[in-house]
Amino acid sequence: DARVTQTPRDKVTEMGQEVTMRCQPILGHNTVFWYRQTMMQGLELLAYFRNRAPLDDSGMPKDRFSAEMPDATLATLKIQPSEPRDSAVYFCASGPGTGEMTDTQYFGPGTRLTVL
Amino acid sequence: AQSVAQPEDQVNVAEGNPLTVKCTYSVSGNPYLFWYVQYPNRGLQFLLKYITGDNLVKGSYGFEAEFNKSQTSFHLKKPSALVSDSALYFCAVRDIKAAGNKLTFGGGTRVLVKP
Repeated sequence: DARVTQTPRDKVTEMGQEVTMRCQPILGHNTVFWYRQTMMQGLELLAYFRNRAPLDDSGMPKDRFSAEMPDATLATLKIQPSEPRDSAVYFCASGPGTGEMTDTQYFGPGTRLTVL
Repeated sequence: AQSVAQPEDQVNVAEGNPLTVKCTYSVSGNPYLFWYVQYPNRGLQFLLKYITGDNLVKGSYGFEAEFNKSQTSFHLKKPSALVSDSALYFCAVRDIKAAGNKLTFGGGTRVLVKP
């Protein structure tokens, strides 16, 4: 049963520290998405990749956040420096890319980030 | 711009009774509509989607949803709810005319099924 995996599942850090979250999309999927979930804002799209190329990162604070796909099996989301307002659950999702408007996105279990 | 509204923060239903979770959308073109469910401390799981064709879509775990273009709605339904259906449900939309692949989610509806 193919799944999106994310590490770490939980991360507690202090303000100012660098945080790196990792995602392994489902093998063969060529679209990858990063979302942030908070009680106040709900689910927000941060970034979107197709074939490892970033297509939309308009939802991401550019000064501290960065998203990359070093290869087809790994997507990373970094926050440097982290701030308490970054505390949230961060989800990665992947899609097959066969019909992008109709594609189903498959979500990972999320990384719960707490910045003290 | 595309948007989704889930007017109920929470829905309470007794086990065995019908369950309905409401969703309305706004798009400039034709919509692609999705329902996801989120169990505690888990990621979102896909339930069903409407792309085209039959307005009644059947999905996982006995759920179905009806696309109503005139009312711009896509309500999720289950004829007989189970306690295990208690979770957070999200409706999402893509506008066929929108650029990119952005999926816009509603705020979520918490479903509580009581024994």
